[in-house]
Amino acid sequence: SQTIHQWPATLVQPVGSPLSLECTVEGTSNPNLYWYRQAAGRGLQLLFYSVGIGQISSEVPQNLSASRPQDRQFILSSKKLLLSDSGFYLCAWSDPGYTFGSGTRLTVV
Amino acid sequence: KNEVEQSPQNLTAQEGEFITINCSYSVGISALHWLQQHPGGGIVSLFMLSSGKKKHGRLIATINIQEKHSSLHITASHPRDSAVYICAVSGGGSARQLTFGSGTQLTVLP
Repeated sequence: SQTIHQWPATLVQPVGSPLSLECTVEGTSNPNLYWYRQAAGRGLQLLFYSVGIGQISSEVPQNLSASRPQDRQFILSSKKLLLSDSGFYLCAWSDPGYTFGSGTRLTVV
Repeated sequence: KNEVEQSPQNLTAQEGEFITINCSYSVGISALHWLQQHPGGGIVSLFMLSSGKKKHGRLIATINIQEKHSSLHITASHPRDSAVYICAVSGGGSARQLTFGSGTQLTVLP
């Protein structure tokens, strides 16, 4: 069956610290992968998407980056977190219907 | 103007009522998605539509491509239907990234 794993579920990080969120999918090959963010009181916004290994497209300029080292692995990173990076981060894949991960609630303090 | 507009923003209904949530979009799309987000934040895909109508249990989704409009209906609503319902569209091309509406907070009272 097709599943998506995202961790951690919650994270509290100080300003200026690094970030690494990981997402892996099972039961599919060569999926489109996405990172979305939902800031407090706001709608969902696309951050990055990938149509293949090593292929990353960025939608919003920011201090975040994404990587896809393997077909079914998508990583969201930051070298130095800002307060404005707080939010709910969702990984998703499309084939072509969408399946979302359970999300990571990040609080930058 | 947002590319995807939803209405209403908030909706309170009594258990058993028929509910309609509307979505209008202003761009060309390859598909329209209805999503459900529960208080914990998790999102579930309810429907993906490119034309016509789909039904799953008490949920019905319709889309009118010419009018660029979609509706999500819930029949015989129940308190467990309380959630945020989000309309999203994906454009053409292989990327299929989503553009989201602002969501409709539905509360169904017992």
